Parts: sequence; structure tokens; C-alpha cells
Amino acid sequence: KAGVTQTPRYLIKTRGQQVTLSCSPISGHRSVSWYQQTPGQGLQFLFEYFSETQRNKGNFPGRFSGRQFSNSRSEMNVSTLELGDSALYLCASSLGPAGGPNTGELFFGEGSRLTVL
Amino acid sequence: QQQVKQSPQSLIVQKGGISIINCAYENTAFDYFPWYQQFPGKGPALLIAIRPDVSEKKEGRFTISFNKSAKQFSLHIMDSQPGDSATYFCAARSEGSARQLTFGSGTQLTVLP
Repeated sequence: KAGVTQTPRYLIKTRGQQVTLSCSPISGHRSVSWYQQTPGQGLQFLFEYFSETQRNKGNFPGRFSGRQFSNSRSEMNVSTLELGDSALYLCASSLGPAGGPNTGELFFGEGSRLTVL
Repeated sequence: QQQVKQSPQSLIVQKGGISIINCAYENTAFDYFPWYQQFPGKGPALLIAIRPDVSEKKEGRFTISFNKSAKQFSLHIMDSQPGDSATYFCAARSEGSARQLTFGSGTQLTVLP
């Protein structure tokens, strides 16, 4: 069974540009969550989508947005990039919202490492 | 905003020793407390988890201790091995329709051979 796939794995952008990251969840998983990981800050929750609807949103500015398609694949977009947006962006999928009612397990991809110059 | 506070930020342990990572939470409306392990270049993966009606859970060398009254939980790694060197994240999931997983800031564990 294929795991969570994130593309691209690495990318370099300059300030002011925008970026789109893609996530393909495990087959059958309907929930996709996005996290930003930076040294010392841990995993900061960006948003979660379930059945194409945004369920929750973290404390990030409106420059961060996302969507989910009918096949559960998800994209996140960051517009007007700032230096502080440099981070590893992780996508996680699960059967249900926040891991589902029973197990709560999230399955993470290997992330997209964004560098903003 | 709900918070989960994790300590220490980094930990160095000799092979065979015990590694202890602590977490504390503020909100009582959490129903699930997982620990994730992350190796360099990889995404986090679920290591072990506990529910608040249980005080301890053990899986091999890994044990979660949970103190509901103190709002604290900890991960103990017995007989630590160099292969355990990784970053560990505790987390807490809020219950109800707004269910969300909140992570601690992570602990970088190094086990010396």
C-alpha cells in the first residue's frame, strides 16, 4: 500500500513569489492535514480537509490556503512568500478527521522543504 | 489556543540508559495522546499512544505514563539504543466535532554508542 506522497520534495523560491505544494494521501483516506515544521517550533498545524471541506484552520495568515479534490488529493498554496516561510511542510492523511474516532493515527509524508531567498 | 508543552528540547543518553521526555497540556478536553517519532529526512510516524482513562501503556521498550490530575504525560525509552536517535513529538487530540491534533515542540534524542 503506497504511503503519503508529497511533491515537490525540495524547492527554492524568492520573496514575493507564490508556491503550490501537492499531497496524495493513502488510498481510502479522506482526511488530509498540513503542518509546518521549523527548528524549535515543532509541528504547527495549518489546516485540515475532510471530504473536500476545510474542517479546521491553524493560526496562520491568509497567505496560506489549501484545497482538497474529490479524489482526496490536496494542495496548499502560499502567496507572497516571506523569508520566514522557509520550512518543511508536512502532509498527513488519515481515515477520518484528526485520525478518526478510534485510532487517531496520522500518516505523514516525507514533506516538501521550501527555502525562500 | 490549546497548547502542549514538551521538554527537554534535546536529550543525550548513553546506550542502555533510560530516556525520559515529558509533556504537559492545559486543556482537559483531550481524548487521545500519541507520541510520534521522526528520523532525519522522514515524516513523523506514530510510535505509541494512550487514552486518558489509562495511566500507563507499554509497548516493548517504550512506555507512556499518564497523570490526568497533573495534566502531564511522559515517554520512557528503556535500554535506549543508537537506533532510537530521532526527534520525538508528543501530541494531544481535542475531542468532539472540532477534533484536532496539537503537537509539542519536539525533543531531539541522541543515544551515544
